[in-house]
Amino acid sequence: NAGVTQTPKFQVLKTGQSMTLQCAQDMNHEYMSWYRQDPGMGLRLIHYSVGAGITDQGEVPNGYNVSRSTTEDFPLRLLSAAPSQTSVYFCASSYSVSGQVPYEQYFGPGTRLTVT
Amino acid sequence: AQSVTQLDSQVPVFEEAPVELRCNYSSSVSVYLFWYVQYPNQGLQLLLKYLSGSTLVESINGFEAEFNKSQTSFHLRKPSVHISDTAEYFCAVRRDSNYQLIWGAGTKLIIKP
Repeated sequence: NAGVTQTPKFQVLKTGQSMTLQCAQDMNHEYMSWYRQDPGMGLRLIHYSVGAGITDQGEVPNGYNVSRSTTEDFPLRLLSAAPSQTSVYFCASSYSVSGQVPYEQYFGPGTRLTVT
Repeated sequence: AQSVTQLDSQVPVFEEAPVELRCNYSSSVSVYLFWYVQYPNQGLQLLLKYLSGSTLVESINGFEAEFNKSQTSFHLRKPSVHISDTAEYFCAVRRDSNYQLIWGAGTKLIIKP
């Protein structure tokens, strides 16, 4: 199993550009999520999904879109990049029971995004 | 609102010395607590978790954490640290309203040789 994979590892964008961060998992997990990690702030949840076709907003959803057409993939779209979106982005997955986050999330290696 | 506080942003400690990383959480209806570890330039990995039962939980690499309901704490301890323990450690609690995790700001464990 590859686990959770993310591409790209690094990305530099100019303000106003759009892009998609890719996330895929091969563990047949129902639950997937996107976090951003900023120094001194821990992880903040952007969006999450409890299954294909179902997504919901986390703490900091503004400026980001997601969709979940398959169990395996959960891409994160930046609509119009801003310097405030400079961060490290992590995708995570886990199995779920009745939509509840279970007890272990598996994280990808992260994407380091810089917006100039 | 539920919250998690990690009281130290960095903890320097000599190799083979004991260490405690502190975590406090705001009270909640149900308590599911976690410690995750992030090694340099990697994603996070689950270190240990408290769901119910014994208040002392252990990991496979010598860490342990104790759930203290009266003090709303879940401190992480290791009796003797190694260079390989250099990492950032995150405490998290499951939110009652939507079952998502609330994360602390992280504590960097710095091992001095």
